[in-house]
Amino acid sequence: AQKITQTQPGMFVQEKEAVTLDCTYDTSDPSYGLFWYKQPSSGEMIFLIYQGSYDQQNATEGRYSLNFQKARKSANLVISASQLGDSAMYFCAMREGMVIQGAQKLVFGQGTRLTINP
Amino acid sequence: EAQVTQNPRYLITVTGKKLTVTCSQNMNHEYMSWYRQDPGLGLRQIYYSMNVEVTDKGDVPEGYKVSRKEKRNFPLILESPSPNQTSLYFCASSYSTQETQYFGPGTRLLVL
Repeated sequence: AQKITQTQPGMFVQEKEAVTLDCTYDTSDPSYGLFWYKQPSSGEMIFLIYQGSYDQQNATEGRYSLNFQKARKSANLVISASQLGDSAMYFCAMREGMVIQGAQKLVFGQGTRLTINP
Repeated sequence: EAQVTQNPRYLITVTGKKLTVTCSQNMNHEYMSWYRQDPGLGLRQIYYSMNVEVTDKGDVPEGYKVSRKEKRNFPLILESPSPNQTSLYFCASSYSTQETQYFGPGTRLLVL
């Protein structure tokens, strides 16, 4: 079974609109972390935002916020006021287990290609 | 500048010709890892290392080798590359107690 599912292969959004990228995850480990990475056409992987399973509040980083719904096992990325430079592939990833115990592996979803239209 | 570097960035080779992709980080990170990215599959872990001389297999280790003789370097070795190893490869690193992993710029490999 897929541990990380991104159901939107592609999304098209008008500039300045908010956009939500979906991510659902599957784990039985009570300790885990959820990440979003951005991959522009140049290919590099850029870390955007992180949410720990025990964090009480949704993570925010500038225009990025993570809508964490633990019971639904979803971790959607919300980009407010989208910009042309937001056009890229976006990956949701999960780390299972506790970092201090050496659990560092990231499991990635298939990605969502976001296109921002002017 | 804190960074993860990979070389080469682009490589075209032929089946069976041994190659090495280097990865180096200047942040004194204990943890380093290699991933490959293929269309529709996201990124999958190949090998990882918790510290010097400590390495272990990830999800797709077949056809790859690694070594960790120094903390800063984690080369990926393809002893006999095959066309199914054509992919985009990423090296990543982090502190052992840190959540966020930092990725290198990627290496595009084409095996003919």
